[in-house]
Amino acid sequence: DIQMTQSPSSLSASVGDRVTITCRASQGISNSLAWYQQKPGKAPKLLLYAASRLESGVPSRFSGSGSGTDYTLTISSLQPEDFATYYCQQYYSTPPTFGQGTKLEIK
Amino acid sequence: QVQLQESGPGLVKPSETLSLTCTVSGGSISSYYWSWIRQPPGKGLEWIGYIYYSGSTNYNPSLKSRVTISVDTSKNQFSLKLSSVTAADTAVYYCARQKGDPDPNWFDPWGQGTLVTVSS
Repeated sequence: DIQMTQSPSSLSASVGDRVTITCRASQGISNSLAWYQQKPGKAPKLLLYAASRLESGVPSRFSGSGSGTDYTLTISSLQPEDFATYYCQQYYSTPPTFGQGTKLEIK
Repeated sequence: QVQLQESGPGLVKPSETLSLTCTVSGGSISSYYWSWIRQPPGKGLEWIGYIYYSGSTNYNPSLKSRVTISVDTSKNQFSLKLSSVTAADTAVYYCARQKGDPDPNWFDPWGQGTLVTVSS
């Protein structure tokens, strides 16, 4: 299985901050990476796929980049509704695997 | 807009079989992969397995010996059975769709999730 490691595990930030979350795969995944946002008691919501493609309806302050084994999710200017837990997921090979999550909290 | 809804018992006894159904509305179950994913309380996400609308399946090796996923295209539903459950199987269980391009990719949309507790 491909192991996905996110960093940091938690992050405190303020409204308006720019934040970056990193996801590292245990082997190259050729941009086969998705990012999700999960709020308490809710299902994960797809934000980006193919490492950098924004899902329809997702605000443009979310962006993704990376290649090979290393990928990042950036939120350019945090809004109050962005405080949540974020997960990366590789779909390069089966089984699909998720990172352990990054909890973004209000400072 | 496709919507998914999980249903099934919220409490299962140890050693018994967990059974859940996902009903797909707003679209056809054809031409997609349909997955089950779980999330233990306070923990991360684990893919359980998928079924293609044609009936072919693929399961997570960590659960393969206990998992069966089936599909009923006439009802636009797919189902999960997990046998010999223990407390470690307590989790929120989600169903989700994957497109095939041609291989299954990201999960979207998701059902709202249903909490299944394993306890006597």
